[in-house]
Amino acid sequence: IAGITQAPTSQILAAGRRMTLRCTQDMRHNAMYWYRQDLGLGLRLIHYSNTAGTTGKGEVPDGYSVSRANTDDFPLTLASAVPSQTSVYFCASTEPEMTVTFQFFGPGTRLTVL
Amino acid sequence: SQQGEEDPQALSIQEGENATMNCSYKTSINNLQWYRQNSGRGLVHLILIRSNEREKHSGRLRVTLDTSKKSSSLLITASRAADTASYFCATDWGGSEKLVFGKGTKLTVNP
Repeated sequence: IAGITQAPTSQILAAGRRMTLRCTQDMRHNAMYWYRQDLGLGLRLIHYSNTAGTTGKGEVPDGYSVSRANTDDFPLTLASAVPSQTSVYFCASTEPEMTVTFQFFGPGTRLTVL
Repeated sequence: SQQGEEDPQALSIQEGENATMNCSYKTSINNLQWYRQNSGRGLVHLILIRSNEREKHSGRLRVTLDTSKKSSSLLITASRAADTASYFCATDWGGSEKLVFGKGTKLTVNP
């Protein structure tokens, strides 16, 4: 692994189903983030975690949950998917202790909810 | 919304020309960052400018920041077809490491 990986790459899901998007990083970054990207709306923060064991809500958290059991993994769960959650989801990480705290992004998961 | 805004939404130029993209934001910031996204890929960090800096260069990139106008610009000089991508500005959110992204400028560089 080099950087951030996300799985699956894409998924078509029936409304009402539960889905977990996986995110793993090997950079030992403390902070991790989940964004959704929709055409015309840019990237919006869903949830974040400043360090293992802590999570927080972003701009659009409703319908999503996250956990941060360890430093490397930050899964995003849709408990009961709805069509409005059709989007491209990006996971990102950064190390707040770095002098320059820019974010590293995964390749994204394209989710379609029918 | 705390989102910034990029201007223009789309820009089409010829190879060799310069491309200028602008970003406006709403709240006071510690830094402003620019990211690039190739079609179907994740974002890649390009450059960061701190609130006490007015201009920064990195290769063919030049970023300016005017905190009094809450605006920034990204200039790509001598553009190449490979520069074709979407460009996003991002500002820190409430002084934390969280970022607020703009909606992006889609740049097309024609060979």
